[in-house]
Amino acid sequence: AQSVTQPDIHITVSEGASLELRCNYSYGATPYLFWYVQSPGQGLQLLLKYFSGDTLVQGIKGFEAEFKRSQSSFNLRKPSVHWSDAAEYFCAVEREGAQKLVFGQGTRLTINP
Amino acid sequence: DAMVIQNPRYQVTQFGKPVTLSCSQTLNHNVMYWYQQKSSQAPKLLFHYYDKDFNNEADTPDNFQSRRPNTSFCFLDIRSPGLGDAAMYLCATSRDGASGRDTQYFGPGTRLTVL
Repeated sequence: AQSVTQPDIHITVSEGASLELRCNYSYGATPYLFWYVQSPGQGLQLLLKYFSGDTLVQGIKGFEAEFKRSQSSFNLRKPSVHWSDAAEYFCAVEREGAQKLVFGQGTRLTINP
Repeated sequence: DAMVIQNPRYQVTQFGKPVTLSCSQTLNHNVMYWYQQKSSQAPKLLFHYYDKDFNNEADTPDNFQSRRPNTSFCFLDIRSPGLGDAAMYLCATSRDGASGRDTQYFGPGTRLTVL
């Protein structure tokens, strides 16, 4: 069965520092990969997605993610975080035809001023 | 401008009193999903509609039902809410779903409190 692991439950970074959130997936074929962000009390907003092609994907709000097949990873990065980036981040995978997302447990990001 | 709308945003009900949550979409998407998200947890899929076809997850309790009277609207009915059903309920839509190259668009959620 597919699974998604986000090893870091909680990360704290200083404003202006770089950020990397880790995501590992378990799936035999190439999955479809997503990163969503959730602010407190809100729904999920899509940051970026990978289906095929260029393994470095650009998203909204200055985020990017890199698909590495050899490591089964899809890590999210941002060169310089802003206080407004404080939120919960979810990595998700969907297999072809499944119509279902499998979510990781999420990583809560705290920004120090 | 809103694409996936959920009403109400906050719902308080009493233990055992039936409650209905509403979701509507302006995207004309074929697929609509209902997720349950408990505090500090990932969203958990309850069921989804592919057009009029209902697809229930194996571990979704019978207490949870859903209706989709037309393309735009989908309802989540909780027949006898228990304290453990207090959660955020998220509605999502996707255009097609068959190919897998689909993005799910989420509503803002309904926070359900059970007293």
